[in-house]
Amino acid sequence: DSGVTQTPKHLITATGQRVTLRCSPRSGDLSVYWYQQSLDQGLQFLIQYYNGEERAKGNILERFSAQQFPDLHSELNLSSLELGDSALYFCASNQREGIISTDTQYFGPGTRLTVL
Amino acid sequence: AQSVAQPEDQVNVAEGNPLTVKCTYSVSGNPYLFWYVQYPNRGLQFLLKYITGDNLVKGSYGFEAEFNKSQTSFHLKKPSALVSDSALYFCAVRDLGQNFVFGPGTRLSVLP
Repeated sequence: DSGVTQTPKHLITATGQRVTLRCSPRSGDLSVYWYQQSLDQGLQFLIQYYNGEERAKGNILERFSAQQFPDLHSELNLSSLELGDSALYFCASNQREGIISTDTQYFGPGTRLTVL
Repeated sequence: AQSVAQPEDQVNVAEGNPLTVKCTYSVSGNPYLFWYVQYPNRGLQFLLKYITGDNLVKGSYGFEAEFNKSQTSFHLKKPSALVSDSALYFCAVRDLGQNFVFGPGTRLSVLP
């Protein structure tokens, strides 16, 4: 168990809808990363937050957005969903304050999104 | 921009034989290199990393990896494969800007 939790585990929705995925990082971790894993695209980095602020941006669509809250949990919002958005969405966390970063990311179990 | 290549989509090895999963990288500056494993319907699990120091890095479950700067490679190895090692393996690199890039993954099948 990595200590990173994600909800929901599965999500089935229709095209055009909006969903929110939630991630709770390991206790004390300040950074949260979001990734999309699909069969044809592999593991794609979407976005990183550090202590509430956006730190890095990857291949994240404009229809997608994220935020990190004061309690350090993060949400990934996906809107105007398309069939191609069906994928596994992972979050990962690391970087505890006061500790030199070990760089290792700890991954949650993922949310499987199916868009019909 | 940094990149990671895993030239083999699939690696098959017999149980008890040594295994190698290949990874090459391109990054500005000194690389921070990682290997992760993903079992079916699970998240990625950290195996090992190279930050600095000894080129041979030992990690979880008997895996090790050798950093080769001249060949820009970081191949994952295990002396004796187990059927339970069958999974998807990802190599990743982190640059100075804290950006992580993962390779496409290599599916390892260990045959009994």
